[in-house]
Amino acid sequence: NAGVTQTPKFRILKIGQSMTLQCTQDMNHNYMYWYRQDPGMGLKLIYYSVGAGITDKGEVPNGYNVSRSTTEDFPLRLELAAPSQTSVYFCASSYSANTQYFGPGTRLTVL
Amino acid sequence: DQQVKQNSPSLSVQEGRISILNCDYTNSMFDYFLWYKKYPAEGPTFLISISSIKDKNEDGRFTVFLNKSAKHLSLHIVPSQPGDSAVYFCAAEGSGNTGKLIFGQGTTLQVKP
Repeated sequence: NAGVTQTPKFRILKIGQSMTLQCTQDMNHNYMYWYRQDPGMGLKLIYYSVGAGITDKGEVPNGYNVSRSTTEDFPLRLELAAPSQTSVYFCASSYSANTQYFGPGTRLTVL
Repeated sequence: DQQVKQNSPSLSVQEGRISILNCDYTNSMFDYFLWYKKYPAEGPTFLISISSIKDKNEDGRFTVFLNKSAKHLSLHIVPSQPGDSAVYFCAAEGSGNTGKLIFGQGTTLQVKP
């Protein structure tokens, strides 16, 4: 089992560019989440989904969009990258609303 | 508004001794708490959890204690091993059974051989 996979591992963007962070899980989990972790801080929830076709905002959704067309995939879209979005992004999934399994993260730098 | 706080950024202990990591929360509606461990350049991995109806949960060398009246939980690692050196995050689940976790800032544990 691959678990939760994220691509790319690293990315440098220029201000105003857009990109999609990919997240795929092979555990047939209904729940999926996107977090960001800034240096010296805990993880903050950006968006989450409780099933295909259902998404909702977390603590810090501004500047991001998500979609959930399949159970396996939960991409995160940045439309107009800003330096404040420089962070490490983690995707996670869970079978129910408890223990979450995390991917290895995507380190994004916006210059 | 930091609802989950880990006030100690770092902790250093000797191998074989006990490590105690602390976490405080402000929202009395939290009903489920988790500890995650994170190595550099990896995602967090689940360690142990506790429901608000319990005051203790044990899994091998790891024990989590919950004091609801004080809104405080702690993770005990006995005996500590060098491989335990990592960042430890506590997290609380908010209401609605959506799995929305609120994380503390993390505590970096160093276990010295």
